[in-house]
Amino acid sequence: GAGVSQSPSNKVTEKGKDVELRCDPISGHTALYWYRQSLGQGLEFLIYFQGNSAPDKSGLPSDRFSAERTGGSVSTLTIQRTQQEDSAVYLCASTSGGETQYFGPGTRLLVL
Amino acid sequence: GDSVTQMEGPVTLSEEAFLTINCTYTATGYPSLFWYVQYPGEGLQLLLKATKADDKGSNKGFEATYRKETTSFHLEKGSVQVSDSAVYFCALNSGGNEKLTFGTGTRLTIIP
Repeated sequence: GAGVSQSPSNKVTEKGKDVELRCDPISGHTALYWYRQSLGQGLEFLIYFQGNSAPDKSGLPSDRFSAERTGGSVSTLTIQRTQQEDSAVYLCASTSGGETQYFGPGTRLLVL
Repeated sequence: GDSVTQMEGPVTLSEEAFLTINCTYTATGYPSLFWYVQYPGEGLQLLLKATKADDKGSNKGFEATYRKETTSFHLEKGSVQVSDSAVYFCALNSGGNEKLTFGTGTRLTIIP
């Protein structure tokens, strides 16, 4: 079946603009995760969804970052008033309840 | 909190050489351990995993053994190929739907 998909694959924006990143998990996967991969910080956890609720938001770096998940499927990560330090690859992963997380190809965000 | 310490890269080897990438961890309880690989231009893929002490994960000629006494999960391959060139990430999960905690990644380059 189809894997995790993310869109857009690349996004260039100007400092101060808002961006929305989308993740479509593997069908039937109940858990969804967002991570960020940046040069200085490696791979960092951002937020975890179980169904539509987010029991762990501990990795969101500031209140400019938010995420939601609807229908237990698609998730959107929103970054408001983007800053240059937000430039990174944003990765989404999903799992059916086991420990193995399956990753999407990522969205590469560049804030000018 | 949980942490993963991974061998610094980059690592450059000749084809058919023996590979070891060291990984040690700190975690509460009994985590599951993973190696993920990121080939050039591609997303993160699970390479292998082990869920309890003394388990050996293996895939594509790679192996890693979960050593509780040394809190290690070193990645090994007996004879590397050019196609193994990638970035390798060691990671742990403290159970269930918990987030993954990653090491910093090791870039491996195999020269013919």
